[in-house]
Amino acid sequence: EDQVTQSPEALRLQEGESSSLNCSYTVSGLRGLFWYRQDPGKGPEFLFTLYSAGEEKEKERLKATLTKKESFLHITAPKPEDSATYLCAVNRDDKIIFGKGTRLHILP
Amino acid sequence: DAGVTQSPTHLIKTRGQHVTLRCSPISGHKSVSWYQQVLGQGPQFIFQYYEKEERGRGNFPDRFSARQFPNYSSELNVNALLLGDSALYLCASRKDRGNTEAFFGQGTRLTVV
Repeated sequence: EDQVTQSPEALRLQEGESSSLNCSYTVSGLRGLFWYRQDPGKGPEFLFTLYSAGEEKEKERLKATLTKKESFLHITAPKPEDSATYLCAVNRDDKIIFGKGTRLHILP
Repeated sequence: DAGVTQSPTHLIKTRGQHVTLRCSPISGHKSVSWYQQVLGQGPQFIFQYYEKEERGRGNFPDRFSARQFPNYSSELNVNALLLGDSALYLCASRKDRGNTEAFFGQGTRLTVV
């Protein structure tokens, strides 16, 4: 069964304290792994697509990496405005399968 | 460029009623998908439409239906609403099927009372 598991469920960091969010997946026929950011009551905002193991993508304080079983979203020196829920998802044919997300809270 | 637009933004309905949600994809995008997101969970796939045909269906009852119009906009219909249908309904726009990024609208918050 296709599955996406994110950990931790919630994470509180001090401003400037770097950390990583984990996404493990089991899916047959992976056609890309996505990371999204979602603010409360809003739709998910696209961040990255990763297609193959070893691939890395960066955007401002965020860097996403991919292995054959996991993806990591590394957050370097976060700021309060980085507080949001981060969703990992796998692209499976015509549908996208999401994890439950990691709620990230950055304290000033 | 306009992003994905959904209407209405908020909606309150009574159990047993019917609801229609609307989505306009990004200009040039031919694929529209619908997702349901309940509080504390990730979005769950409902339907995908591409070139006006249904290309995928998630594990939702037949009360849920959708269609895509010649201009690639889409409607999601839900009949005989239940309290459990209360959720954020998201529309995703993709340039083509399969191997392309999906961009989401702001969603329609449906509350069933």
